[in-house]
Amino acid sequence: NAGVTQTPKFRILKIGQSMTLQCTQDMNHNYMYWYRQDPGMGLKLIYYSVGAGITDKGEVPNGYNVSRSTTEDFPLRLELAAPSQTSVYFCASSYSPSSGLSTDTQYFGPGTRLTVL
Amino acid sequence: KQEVTQIPAALSVPEGENLVLNCSFTDSAIYNLQWFRQDPGKGLTSLLLIQSSQREQTSGRLNASLDKSSGRSTLYIAASQPGDSATYLCAVHDYKLSFGAGTTVTVRA
Repeated sequence: NAGVTQTPKFRILKIGQSMTLQCTQDMNHNYMYWYRQDPGMGLKLIYYSVGAGITDKGEVPNGYNVSRSTTEDFPLRLELAAPSQTSVYFCASSYSPSSGLSTDTQYFGPGTRLTVL
Repeated sequence: KQEVTQIPAALSVPEGENLVLNCSFTDSAIYNLQWFRQDPGKGLTSLLLIQSSQREQTSGRLNASLDKSSGRSTLYIAASQPGDSATYLCAVHDYKLSFGAGTTVTVRA
């Protein structure tokens, strides 16, 4: 199993550009998450999904969009990039046997380091 | 709002010394607490998960305790090795995972 994979590893964007960060998991997990990690700070939740077709906002969703058309993929879209979106982005997944809260261990991808200039 | 604090932010110890990493949180209504390891430029790896009903969890040289009523957890790493050098993150799970900023550990050979 590859686990959680993310592409690209690094990206530099100009202000106002758009891009999509890709995330794929091969563990058949129903829950998927996007976090951002700023220097010296803990991870903050951007969006999450409890299954294909269902997404919800986390703590810091402004400036981002997500979709979940399959169990495996959970892309994160940045529209009109701003310097405040310079960060490291992590995708994670977990499993829950029900549609309720998933409290199981989350498995993380290696991250995408994004710089907006 | 859940606040998770990890002190100290950085720690340097000689090889063989035991490590003690602290985590505190403000709201004790949690489902579980997790400790993660993060290597530079890499993702997070889960080390231990303690359910809210548990007092401690052990895996090899690692032992984590949880005192939910006082809002504290401690991660102990016995007989530290240079390979233990990394950033250790604590996260509490109420309706979502709330992370601390981490403690960066350097084990000197």
